[in-house]
Amino acid sequence: GAVVSQHPSRVICKSGTSVKIECRSLDFQATTMFWYRQFPKQSLMLMATSNEGSKATYEQGVEKDKFLINHASLTLSTLTVTSAHPEDSSFYICSANLGSGGSNQPQHFGDGTRLSIL
Amino acid sequence: QKEVEQNSGPLSVPEGAIASLNCTYSDRGSQSFFWYRQYSGKSPELIMSIYSNGDKEDGRFTAQLNKASQYVSLLIRDSQPSDSATYLCAVRGNYGQNFVFGPGTRLSVLP
Repeated sequence: GAVVSQHPSRVICKSGTSVKIECRSLDFQATTMFWYRQFPKQSLMLMATSNEGSKATYEQGVEKDKFLINHASLTLSTLTVTSAHPEDSSFYICSANLGSGGSNQPQHFGDGTRLSIL
Repeated sequence: QKEVEQNSGPLSVPEGAIASLNCTYSDRGSQSFFWYRQYSGKSPELIMSIYSNGDKEDGRFTAQLNKASQYVSLLIRDSQPSDSATYLCAVRGNYGQNFVFGPGTRLSVLP
């Protein structure tokens, strides 16, 4: 069964709207979660690493003020796309490791959120 | 810069054939290797993981790892049209939790 739950699965909204996406680890604690973005027919791009209780680590070129990440508990990380514009339309996917740092556990992905900005 | 490379494809094989997907990585200290399958419009799902040199079999799937050559592959026996998807190779280093994903290889199994 699913180990990572992501919600909502699809969002369609007007330009200028802020959109919040939730990522939950089910039945395990995730001190670290990852947020990816994927444009059509392109590869996964890591946006940021979400760390429980501390600031997220953003990849080069990702605007931290545009993509707000909050990881307030061991089972929940949220990504807020602020003042979204059509170019932010994409497939956003979160993931988490089952194990702690240094383990061989794989990343498990949520089902993804398809964001469409009109 | 840690890199993971894959042939983008598309790789086309007839139904029932063996599909061979390849991946090379640059970080010699990498310890864990994973293959994910991603159907169009869906998120990646884990197929196999491998940590030691040699082969690891799971049903129709066999992962092969050669750390000396920095090479990992995935073989799919008796390929089915439902195997048509993009296959992502992921590599994890010795420290930290970050994975490095390859760009993926698109596989098309023709009926």
